[in-house]
Parts: sequence; C-alpha cells; structure tokens
Amino acid sequence: AQSVAQPEDQVNVAEGNPLTVKCTYSVSGNPYLFWYVQYPNRGLQFLLKYITGDNLVKGSYGFEAEFNKSQTSFHLKKPSALVSDSALYFCAVLPSSNTGKLIFGQGTTLQVKP
Amino acid sequence: ETGVTQTPRHLVMGMTNKKSLKCEQHLGHNAMYWYKQSAKKPLELMFVYNFKEQTENNSVPSRFSPECPNSSHLFLHLHTLQPEDSALYLCASSQDIPLAGSTDTQYFGPGTRLTVL
Repeated sequence: AQSVAQPEDQVNVAEGNPLTVKCTYSVSGNPYLFWYVQYPNRGLQFLLKYITGDNLVKGSYGFEAEFNKSQTSFHLKKPSALVSDSALYFCAVLPSSNTGKLIFGQGTTLQVKP
Repeated sequence: ETGVTQTPRHLVMGMTNKKSLKCEQHLGHNAMYWYKQSAKKPLELMFVYNFKEQTENNSVPSRFSPECPNSSHLFLHLHTLQPEDSALYLCASSQDIPLAGSTDTQYFGPGTRLTVL
C-alpha cells in the first residue's frame, strides 16, 4: 500500500536553532513530494515540492527539503527556527502514476520556543 | 491568502438538518477537491472534480453530496450526518488534476469547521 509516514507527532526546538521535520514514503515509481503548513484555524499552505532534478528543494519562508531516494525520505529543514514557524506540517506524496490523489502524512506539530 | 475561499467558516448542525458548504476559487483552475481533516488522522480525499465532472469519489457515504456547477464553485451538501462526521472540511483547487507526468500544486481554502450534534 502507498503511504506517507511522519514519525514524530511533535517537534520542539528553540528559536534560532535548526529544525528538521521528518517524512518517509512508500510508493511505487518516482514520487512527487510536497510539504504543506497549517496555521491554527487556517487551511493548508503550500511550502515546496520536489519533482525532479536537484535533491535539495528551496521553498517559502526559508524552508528547504532534501529528497533522498535510497532512504525514501523527504525531510523538511530550516537553518534557524522562528517562533512564528510554530504550526502543523504535512508531508504529501503524489505517485507518478496517480490521478489526483495526494497521499498525506498525519502531520507533525512544530513548537518553536523563544 | 491562497485564492480559495470557503463559507461558512464554522457550522453547527443537528443530525436531521440539511446544510451546504461552499467553496470558490479565484485562480482560474480547472480541478477542485473536497478533503476531510479529523484530529490525529491524515487528510482524507473525498471528491475530485475536473472541468465540472466528478473524477473521484473516495467511497464517501451518500449523506455527503457534492455539486460543481462550474470550474470556480464547489458545494458539499450535507444531510442526516452523524457525530463522527464532525471535522474540518477543506476545499482545494489545482490547474488540472495531476495525471501522470503532471504535478500541479493544490491550493487550499481555510476550511469549514463542522460540528454535528
């Protein structure tokens, strides 16, 4: 079965420290990978996506993600966390043979403390 | 803002009520989606529309009835819901549905928080 796993329900970091939010996937073929962020009482906002090419993808608000095919991972990173980055983060995968079905992980809450 | 609006933002209804959720996108997209977001669970895709035609019904109970009168508007009609249907209902749109080789990004609205009593 095709799936996305975000192994951590919550990640806590201090402001100014680097952050990583983990994502692994299990799909057939070459996947397209996405990260979305959800602030309280808001919908999901697109952060970045990997389609092909450079394994390091840069997105909005200083976030980046690294695609690792051998480890089937697409971890989200930021060199220096801000308190305003505190939100719910979703990893999603679109299998290359798919027709519209984004498969989402269960989400990881990021808490950045001052 | 993403260019996708949803109304109402909050809705409380009894199990015998009939209500409708509305979604409108101002992005010129051709594909629209309904998702259900429940606490501690991945987003569940409910319906997909492309050029007003339904292309996906992800085994959704018939008490949820979608309607897409044009590419900019999407409705979700609700009737005789159950308390377990309480959730955040998210609408999204993309330029087209992501067929093989296409990777159109989906843009989400703010959601409707539905509570069924």
